[in-house]
Amino acid sequence: GQQVMQIPQYQHVQEGEDFTTYCNSSTTLSNIQWYKQRPGGHPVFLIQLVKSGEVKKQKRLTFQFGEAKKNSSLHITATQTTDVGTYFCLINDYKLSFGAGTTVTVRA
Amino acid sequence: ETGVTQTPRHLVMGMTNKKSLKCEQHLGHNAMYWYKQSAKKPLELMFVYSLEERVENNSVPSRFSPECPNSSHLFLHLHTLQPEDSALYLCASSQDLLSGGSTDTQYFGPGTRLTVL
Repeated sequence: GQQVMQIPQYQHVQEGEDFTTYCNSSTTLSNIQWYKQRPGGHPVFLIQLVKSGEVKKQKRLTFQFGEAKKNSSLHITATQTTDVGTYFCLINDYKLSFGAGTTVTVRA
Repeated sequence: ETGVTQTPRHLVMGMTNKKSLKCEQHLGHNAMYWYKQSAKKPLELMFVYSLEERVENNSVPSRFSPECPNSSHLFLHLHTLQPEDSALYLCASSQDLLSGGSTDTQYFGPGTRLTVL
């Protein structure tokens, strides 16, 4: 079935540094969604990408959809302790499928 | 956020018990979902309901039995569970069914932390 691979699984970041998490699919996607789950919390919708090459920003978060619509990235600049949590991507062309998530920890 | 509520928030049960998890959405959505989230594993979609009809059952053991009496409520009935069923069970809803590249989004409840002894 359709799957999405998400890397890295863990990201330990120094406060103030940047990092990127990636989601990759073997098939062309209609759209991709990103969610964030804080420790002890539940997934919360962040953003949706639909167009080829689309780039969307939310403050220090930059989301990108690849030109071929097979991959997506989330880049966070100047990481803060509030960025701690797990970031998931979600695809739904054939079957709902979440990526495994990137769990981010921040050292002050 | 109170759009999707789940009760109880925590549940400890023995393997011979029967219990039920409840989910209620106050968003007027037509689709509801049950997910299982185990440590160090991706979110696993268990069941999907659209307009109170089950549209997806992802090879879930029969010891889990869903029920959707109306579009606002979703239950997960549990019986003779195993310790490996211990996990966070999340309910979610969306305006319409997420499939075929839908641009709809899901709203999650806070989850029920289940421990099976």
